[in-house]
Amino acid sequence: ILNVEQSPQSLHVQEGDSTNFTCSFPSSNFYALHWYRWETAKSPEALFVMTLNGDEKKKGRISATLNTKEGYSYLYIKGSQPEDSATYLCARRGSNYKLTFGKGTLLTVNP
Amino acid sequence: NAGVTQTPKFRILKIGQSMTLQCTQDMNHNYMYWYRQDPGMGLKLIYYSVGAGITDKGEVPNGYNVSRSTTEDFPLRLELAAPSQTSVYFCASSGTGRGETQYFGPGTRLLVL
Repeated sequence: ILNVEQSPQSLHVQEGDSTNFTCSFPSSNFYALHWYRWETAKSPEALFVMTLNGDEKKKGRISATLNTKEGYSYLYIKGSQPEDSATYLCARRGSNYKLTFGKGTLLTVNP
Repeated sequence: NAGVTQTPKFRILKIGQSMTLQCTQDMNHNYMYWYRQDPGMGLKLIYYSVGAGITDKGEVPNGYNVSRSTTEDFPLRLELAAPSQTSVYFCASSGTGRGETQYFGPGTRLLVL
């Protein structure tokens, strides 16, 4: 994998459903993996930063895991609510100072 | 503690005009970044800086210039605006540690006509 790739591109779920997205990234020269929540007409809001293989982070109903050996991270949302509707971005930091962003997963939660 | 602030919020430019987008952070962060948001393409890095006096190009630097004379400020200069520069511009900053969060400003929406 040369770039940061996110799947699916978009997702529609019903309120109360649990869901998850995938972020795939180059595993070489890995420093950190960032997840952001991005609402329309706002700026990206940081959710998690993970650095170690096997890292798991949790904030309320949202959690994330990291596998640096195979180059992927999962974001989970338990019991989705309409206010969870947003684009979820992941970004990889390599050995330089820069983040490389995926194109995001657009989540729509229907009431 | 205001975090990352950007001005202006919105601007309309005519083709060929120039302007400076301002970015200031009050978190004493060494790293600062400028991104543009292109529909369907996500965030693209324009320029970044690892400290006062040090700047470097990102993925899409053409048509832009930056300077970093202080830790707090990282202005982005557009010379000879073109319609292709119509976008939303985000400034961001972070500390130097491996697990540091990168914080974004509220964005500047630019329309070039």
